[in-house]
Amino acid sequence: DIQMTQSPSTLSASVGDRVTITCRASQGINYWLAWYQQKPGKAPKLLIYKASILDTGVPSRFSGSGSETEFTLTISSLQPDDFATYYCQQYNTLWTFGQGTKVEIK
Amino acid sequence: EVQLVESGGDLVQPGGSLRLACAASGFTFSNYAMSWVRQAPGKGLQWVSTISGSGSTTYYADSVKGRFTISRDKSTNTLYLQMNSLRTEDTAFYFCARDRSRTTVVQGYWGQGTLVAVSS
Repeated sequence: DIQMTQSPSTLSASVGDRVTITCRASQGINYWLAWYQQKPGKAPKLLIYKASILDTGVPSRFSGSGSETEFTLTISSLQPDDFATYYCQQYNTLWTFGQGTKVEIK
Repeated sequence: EVQLVESGGDLVQPGGSLRLACAASGFTFSNYAMSWVRQAPGKGLQWVSTISGSGSTTYYADSVKGRFTISRDKSTNTLYLQMNSLRTEDTAFYFCARDRSRTTVVQGYWGQGTLVAVSS
């Protein structure tokens, strides 16, 4: 099984900050990596797939990069609507989510 | 507009069974793989199961293999999850989800979730 490890688990930041979340895979997954955003009481929302492709309607302040075992999600200038929990997911072999990173207000 | 509406969540005793349903609309149901993803209260996301658009291929997480069965009914555009031998650790919100596209096998559309509580 492929394990996904996100860091940090919690991130405190202010509006306007540049934020980076890291996701590591236990084995190479090429670029079969997605990122989701989830707010309390809501379903997850797909942000990025194939490591770097923004889903339709996702603001350009979000970006993704990486391949094989190391990936990053970057928010270039954090907005009030971005305070949420973010999950990475590999889909190279079945599907596995990371444990999540909560982005909270500093 | 893609809509996914789950139902069937309930309180059930350990060892019991439950069937979840997900009513799909706004797209050609048989063209897309569908999945179930769960989330224990206050915890992270866990992929549970996926079924191909035709229904001929199914995939399961090891934690539910042999206990859960995913299926779909194209006549009613409904996705199902039959859950048997339920355990307390199966307590979670269960979301149904549709692949983003026919070529992008990530969960691009989600329902609002239904709560399954397993407790004596």
